[in-house]
Amino acid sequence: TQLLEQSPQFLSIQEGENLTVYCNSSSVFSSLQWYRQEPGEGPVLLVTVVTGGEVKKLKRLTFQFGDARKDSSLHITAAQPGDTGLYLCAGDPYNNNDMRFGAGTRLTVKP
Amino acid sequence: DSGVTQTPKHLITATGQRVTLRCSPRSGDLSVYWYQQSLDQGLQFLIQYYNGEERAKGNILERFSAQQFPDLHSELNLSSLELGDSALYFCASSVATSGENEQFFGPGTRLTVL
Repeated sequence: TQLLEQSPQFLSIQEGENLTVYCNSSSVFSSLQWYRQEPGEGPVLLVTVVTGGEVKKLKRLTFQFGDARKDSSLHITAAQPGDTGLYLCAGDPYNNNDMRFGAGTRLTVKP
Repeated sequence: DSGVTQTPKHLITATGQRVTLRCSPRSGDLSVYWYQQSLDQGLQFLIQYYNGEERAKGNILERFSAQQFPDLHSELNLSSLELGDSALYFCASSVATSGENEQFFGPGTRLTVL
């Protein structure tokens, strides 16, 4: 069982649609990070959320950290083919530099 | 380009063999992290070094070892290789040691064990 559960596992949508992906845990995190990984490359950090209830926006991407700091969501507005990739959430639940990653949501945006 | 370099990009070897993966962190970064990514296990944290010293350990097998040298580059040694060790191995670096610091990932080394 993953410490961080991401859903859905796969998502295929048309350009222009909106979508939300989720990252859930039974553990409390001091912060959570979201990464995007494209095929053949390493993950790239998108955002770090730190405060419970925090909302951060990055252009068409909106990230939210749950009030209890156990979950997070990523909402993409008007998805574009360039958004295609594997979205990973990650956190350090024991504050000992042991970063845990979710299995990811593989997003495909069709033109 | 993250500024983190990894060599080799691809590695094909046989079971029972030993290989060394190399990582150079971004200029100025003191922390190096190693991860294994396979299709069935996702991205798994292996080990972290900070300024030459081991700082954190994750799901690293006893057959695997790592070190960070005075010039801050790091090597991951994998020995007695098994078929299940086939995976992408990523190195990441960050300025400091906290898990909250942004980690910059290298392009990875794809290891295939035949």
